[in-house]
Amino acid sequence: EDQVTQSPEALRLQEGESSSLNCSYTVSGLRGLFWYRQDPGKGPEFLFTLYSAGEEKEKERLKATLTKKESFLHITAPKPEDSATYLCAVQGSNDYKLSFGAGTTVTVRA
Amino acid sequence: DSGVTQTPKHLITATGQRVTLRCSPRSGDLSVYWYQQSLDQGLQFLIQYYNGEERAKGNILERFSAQQFPDLHSELNLSSLELGDSALYFCASSVEGQVDTQYFGPGTRLLVL
Repeated sequence: EDQVTQSPEALRLQEGESSSLNCSYTVSGLRGLFWYRQDPGKGPEFLFTLYSAGEEKEKERLKATLTKKESFLHITAPKPEDSATYLCAVQGSNDYKLSFGAGTTVTVRA
Repeated sequence: DSGVTQTPKHLITATGQRVTLRCSPRSGDLSVYWYQQSLDQGLQFLIQYYNGEERAKGNILERFSAQQFPDLHSELNLSSLELGDSALYFCASSVEGQVDTQYFGPGTRLLVL
């Protein structure tokens, strides 16, 4: 069964203080690794899809990277509006369902 | 806005009752997925439909069922509700290609009293 572990559970940052979130995974044949952002009471908002080790993707202050065992989401010079829960999910080669980690809740203080 | 719509936004009901949650996928998407999000379990996959047919099942309770209609909208039926069924229920849709990015709706918050 696919497994995803995210760390840390929570992260409190000062505005401008860069940091990284970790997502470790085990999956039978990785079809894709996904990052989502979720605000309280809202649906997950798609950020990135990574397909293979060594791949990197960027969007504004966010950068996602992928190795064979884990993915990192780097937040550079965060702003208060980056406060959210960031979810990592994997999709294996056997089906199309997403297996999610528990998420990392990021709080950015001004 | 992901393009996926869900109704209702909120639902309050009593134990033992039955409710129906509705989802309309993004235009052109053939696959619909249902997920449950509770505080202690995180986001859990329930069931997938593709073009009207059941494609995959997760840890969905026997009291729960779903279907996808010819216009591709989907309904999740929850019956004999228990307190523990209180959660956020999300629908997601995708094209289902080689790599499948799923786009989530805003969710239905169910509270069972």
